[in-house]
Amino acid sequence: GAGVSQSPSNKVTEKGKDVELRCDPISGHTALYWYRQSLGQGLEFLIYFQGNSAPDKSGLPSDRFSAERTGGSVSTLTIQRTQQEDSAVYLCATDRGQFGETQYFGPGTRLLVL
Amino acid sequence: AQSVAQPEDQVNVAEGNPLTVKCTYSVSGNPYLFWYVQYPNRGLQFLLKYITGDNLVKGSYGFEAEFNKSQTSFHLKKPSALVSDSALYFCAVRDMSAGTALIFGKGTTLSVSS
Repeated sequence: GAGVSQSPSNKVTEKGKDVELRCDPISGHTALYWYRQSLGQGLEFLIYFQGNSAPDKSGLPSDRFSAERTGGSVSTLTIQRTQQEDSAVYLCATDRGQFGETQYFGPGTRLLVL
Repeated sequence: AQSVAQPEDQVNVAEGNPLTVKCTYSVSGNPYLFWYVQYPNRGLQFLLKYITGDNLVKGSYGFEAEFNKSQTSFHLKKPSALVSDSALYFCAVRDMSAGTALIFGKGTTLSVSS
């Protein structure tokens, strides 16, 4: 597609439930990143995929968070046993995989955990 | 460790006046520097980046930024502000020798009054 797309745009869930957030990258972009934007915390890196390499999971805040990227394209971020502090906007970005490349961001998924 | 500082939470300017949004960074190697803008309930939009070459970088919507290695700064500027420039601005850095994901500043809210 023309840009990075994310779904759902909004998600309301109850504490303790699992959620899945989806990211569709720009066609041809081999690198994919997940970030979290929280009030007062700015933008935090969560996880990074590059081609067939092992993902960089160094930003994941706990083992409740996981992500996969199937076939080098679509990515799913899963949060298990959600907590209220997980409420945030989850942003996906992609680029062509070189250091100087510009990351292009999707519109984000706004997650609210009640 | 890499870090980015945006010392001002908010910048207020009158329409037609020049604007500056400040950014300083810290990386161990040479930096790639980026500015993004975020409008309400939207994802991040790329404005400009510094990779190498001329220290003055020109970007979208009339914005420019100057890379200053000695001061480790990358301030965003525009000669004449528009009300429509009002938004949240993020500076980000990537360490050429180490980085994968972007490290973001906390963001600066720009408010342009008519």
